[in-house]
Amino acid sequence: ETGVTQSPTHLIKTRGQQVTLRCSSQSGHNTVSWYQQALGQGPQFIFQYYREEENGRGNFPPRFSGLQFPNYSSELNVNALELDDSALYLCASSWRGRGDYGYTFGSGTRLTVV
Amino acid sequence: DQQVKQNSPSLSVQEGRISILNCDYTNSMFDYFLWYKKYPAEGPTFLISISSIKDKNEDGRFTVFLNKSAKHLSLHIVPSQPGDSAVYFCAAIDQGGKLIFGQGTELSVKP
Repeated sequence: ETGVTQSPTHLIKTRGQQVTLRCSSQSGHNTVSWYQQALGQGPQFIFQYYREEENGRGNFPPRFSGLQFPNYSSELNVNALELDDSALYLCASSWRGRGDYGYTFGSGTRLTVV
Repeated sequence: DQQVKQNSPSLSVQEGRISILNCDYTNSMFDYFLWYKKYPAEGPTFLISISSIKDKNEDGRFTVFLNKSAKHLSLHIVPSQPGDSAVYFCAAIDQGGKLIFGQGTELSVKP
């Protein structure tokens, strides 16, 4: 059973640029959620994808967007990067409908905006 | 509006003693709670969970207690080991099935 894989592990971007982060879900999982963890804070929910459609969104602006592919992998895109977007971005996969909410997290992508 | 709160940013305990990590929540509709452990440069890993129909769940050295009337839960680790040193996050599942995390408590277990 493969776990959740995120790429890249680290990234440095300039303010105003665009970035794409990638996530491969754990085998057998059909749902992907993205979280942003700022320094010293807990992870904050960005959005969730199920069956290639957005299924819930947190308090993040539209410049945060995503995709889920038929193999359940996912991308997080952020346009017009701001300094405050610097954070650890976590992807979590799960099987929708599983009663114990078996979320599995990747190791994250550390994004630095300068 | 922080719906899940961990008011202690850090906790230091001696090896072999009990570690107690606390968590409060504001939304009475939450009915499932989880604790995650996070090491630097790794994602959170699931530790233990509890449903609102229970007030206690135990797994080895880890026990979670839930007090619904106080909207409070706690994680007990007995005995604490140096390898338990990590950041611990409390989380609740909301009606949409997403995780709502607290701010985390950094536990340091000293030999």
